[in-house]
Amino acid sequence: KAGVTQTPRYLIKTRGQQVTLSCSPISGHRSVSWYQQTPGQGLQFLFEYFSETQRNKGNFPGRFSGRQFSNSRSEMNVSTLELGDSALYLCASSLTVYQETQYFGPGTRLLVL
Amino acid sequence: GENVEQHPSTLSVQEGDSAVIKCTYSDSASNYFPWYKQELGKGPQLIIDIRSNVGEKKDQRIAVTLNKTAKHFSLHITETQPEDSAVYFCAAPTNAGKSTFGDGTTLTVKP
Repeated sequence: KAGVTQTPRYLIKTRGQQVTLSCSPISGHRSVSWYQQTPGQGLQFLFEYFSETQRNKGNFPGRFSGRQFSNSRSEMNVSTLELGDSALYLCASSLTVYQETQYFGPGTRLLVL
Repeated sequence: GENVEQHPSTLSVQEGDSAVIKCTYSDSASNYFPWYKQELGKGPQLIIDIRSNVGEKKDQRIAVTLNKTAKHFSLHITETQPEDSAVYFCAAPTNAGKSTFGDGTTLTVKP
């Protein structure tokens, strides 16, 4: 089975721009979660989707949004980028939402200049 | 919400020694406790997990122990090798669906 894929792998943007990141989960997985990873803050939960519905959201501003499509693929969008948004954005998929193993993709490294 | 504390934040051991990383959690509804290993430039990868109906699980040189009463679980790596050097994360997902991760432990195995 193919693993979780994320595109693009690297991205450079400037302040004020917006960005869209994509995640394709493992085939058959219906839950997709997004995390922001920075050296000082560890893995911070952004949001979780299951069957196209957002089930949970972390403590991030409204500039961070996401969605999930009927094929379980997910996108996250960050608008009005700030320098502090520079991070590794990780996507993880699991079969269901209830205390299941999450499988992570390689991440998208975003640099905001 | 769930709070997960992980210790130590850094750990340096000599090749062949054992390494132990501990996590405590707050939500008694948590019943599944995975450990992830993250190597440089990669996403976290599951290395071992345990459910609350068992107290210990082993997989070759890696083991996880769980004490539900005290709300803590630990990762044990024996006979460490240089390739074990990485960042290790514990997690305590809840039925609410939000996964809370520990802050990570950077393990360095010196040859």
